[in-house]
Parts: sequence; C-alpha cells; structure tokens
Amino acid sequence: AQRVTQPEKLLSVFKGAPVELKCNYSYSGSPELFWYVQYSRQRLQLLLRHISRESIKGFTADLNKGETSFHLKKPFAQEEDSAMYYCAPLQGGARQLTFGSGTQLTVLP
Amino acid sequence: DTGVSQDPRHKITKRGQNVTFRCDPISEHNRLYWYRQTLGQGPEFLTYFQNEAQLEKSRLLSDRFSAERPKGSFSTLEIQRTEQGDSAMYLCASRSGLLGGDTGELFFGEGSRLTVL
Repeated sequence: AQRVTQPEKLLSVFKGAPVELKCNYSYSGSPELFWYVQYSRQRLQLLLRHISRESIKGFTADLNKGETSFHLKKPFAQEEDSAMYYCAPLQGGARQLTFGSGTQLTVLP
Repeated sequence: DTGVSQDPRHKITKRGQNVTFRCDPISEHNRLYWYRQTLGQGPEFLTYFQNEAQLEKSRLLSDRFSAERPKGSFSTLEIQRTEQGDSAMYLCASRSGLLGGDTGELFFGEGSRLTVL
C-alpha cells in the first residue's frame, strides 16, 4: 500500500540545535514530495518542495530514493520554527496531496 | 484576493442534522480539493474538482457526503444526517491548473470546524 510515515509525533529541541524531522514513503514510481507547515492559529501552507531543491527559512529536504526518505533538516532551530510539520507526496489522478500524520516541533528557549 | 476562504469557521450541530460548508478558492484556480482533519492526524483527502467536474472521490466520502462546484468557482460540501464521527476540521484547498502556473502547491483555507453533539 502506498503510504507516508512520520515516525515522531512530537519533537523538542533547544534553540540553536540542529533539527531533523523524518519522513519515509512507500510509493511506486517517483512521487513529488512536499513539506507543509502549520503555525499556531495559521492555515496550512507550503514550506518546500523537493523538485526545486530550495532552502526556505533555513530548512532543506533531500529526497533519498534508496531509503525512500524525505527528511526535513535545519542546522540551527529557532523558536519561531515551532509548528506542526507534514510530509506530503503528490500522487494520484487528481494529483492530490497525501499527508503524513505530522510532527509537532517545539523549539525551546 | 485574500486567498481561499471558508464559511462558516465553526459549526455546532446535533446528531442527525444536515450541515453545509462553503469554500471560495483563489479566483484563477480551477482545481479545488476538500480534506478532513481529525485531532492528531494529517488532513485526509475527500474529493477533487477540476472546474465544475468532480473527478475524484475518496472512499472516506460516504453517501451522506455530497460536494458540488456548480459554476467552477465556489464549492459546497454537505453532510446529511450528521454523526458524532463526522466531527472534524474540513479543509478546502485550491490549486492553479494553468500550464506553466501549476507548481503543485495547494493553497488552503482556514477550515470549517464541525462539532456534532
């Protein structure tokens, strides 16, 4: 079955520490992968997509086809990074996003 | 354009009642999606419209659920004979279908929270 897994529901790090949010997927072919973020009291929004190989707010994510992973990383976490993060492959005829269960990141002062 | 808007933001209803949610997408977006999100879970896909055509429906969408997008602009999601298990956040998202303008990004509304008593 095709699915996306975010193994950590909760993740806490101290400000300035590196952070890695894990995402593993099992999909046939080569899905397009995205990370979405939801800050407190804000709507769900795109953080970054793997095809653009960009760094947004200091975050990067590398698609590892061998490990079928798309982990989100930031070398120095900031308090404003505290949010819920969702890994989401784009798939299907409707090309809908399929969301993982999310990781709540808390960056402690 | 202020983005995707949803109405109402909150709805409390009694079991067995019907409810309807409305979504106004970004004006130039021809693709519209409905998702449902329950506590502790990521959003789950419900249905998809391209213009006025409903092209895909999830198995999550029971017969009590119906969605429309009559003129290819706003969409409605109706739940008939609500059950307590329908309590969730209902999210709408839109996406550009224009050639060269579609990055795959979905733009979400703030959601409509349903509580069924």
